[in-house]
Amino acid sequence: LAKTTQPISMDSYEGQEVNITCSHNNIATNDYITWYQQFPSQGPRFIIQGYKTKVTNEVASLFIPADRKSSTLSLPRVSLSDTAVYYCLVDGSGNTGKLIFGQGTTLQVKP
Amino acid sequence: GAVVSQHPSWVICKSGTSVKIECRSLDFQATTMFWYRQFPKQSLMLMATSNEGSKATYEQGVEKDKFLINHASLTLSTLTVTSAHPEDSSFYICTYRGPNEKLFFGSGTQLSVL
Repeated sequence: LAKTTQPISMDSYEGQEVNITCSHNNIATNDYITWYQQFPSQGPRFIIQGYKTKVTNEVASLFIPADRKSSTLSLPRVSLSDTAVYYCLVDGSGNTGKLIFGQGTTLQVKP
Repeated sequence: GAVVSQHPSWVICKSGTSVKIECRSLDFQATTMFWYRQFPKQSLMLMATSNEGSKATYEQGVEKDKFLINHASLTLSTLTVTSAHPEDSSFYICTYRGPNEKLFFGSGTQLSVL
């Protein structure tokens, strides 16, 4: 199981770009990286997923270096509503085993 | 898109009673699902992994006789907290592994035991 490590918390201001990095040194060849957002008293919500290089969708970008031992979630121009906990999850294709969450990063966006 | 329905969204019960939480995948079938609980300001803690048709695999420290998991079909799973006590008060989340191995989360159940 690839363990993930993220900063516990981050602060930002509205309109800024936020980059949250996750370390996963033991990532396996068939693992992919997924980021989730969670608001209080809600289930996690899918943000973005990638295997290598860069992935972009309508809400975020995900940067994964060649060695894949880390990944960075980039949120462009955050707003107050982006205040949440963000989790990176490393999961292998065809994995029916355990699915362990790391501690997550609490992002606080200030006006 | 794929949807997971979890209910109730919140429940309050007296100590010693049992509570059942239901989780359904509405438009896909899944063989694997996970149950988590989450205490305030903490991450999701895996309770058990369940594959359809077989017994759930519980994490260390999670009492299988207290947290009964039934995954009898590809679209329905239940978690029953038996003889609940105040320390069982938590946020419980079900997760299905759906199409293309993607994960789909329920909306969670806030359990408060008085």
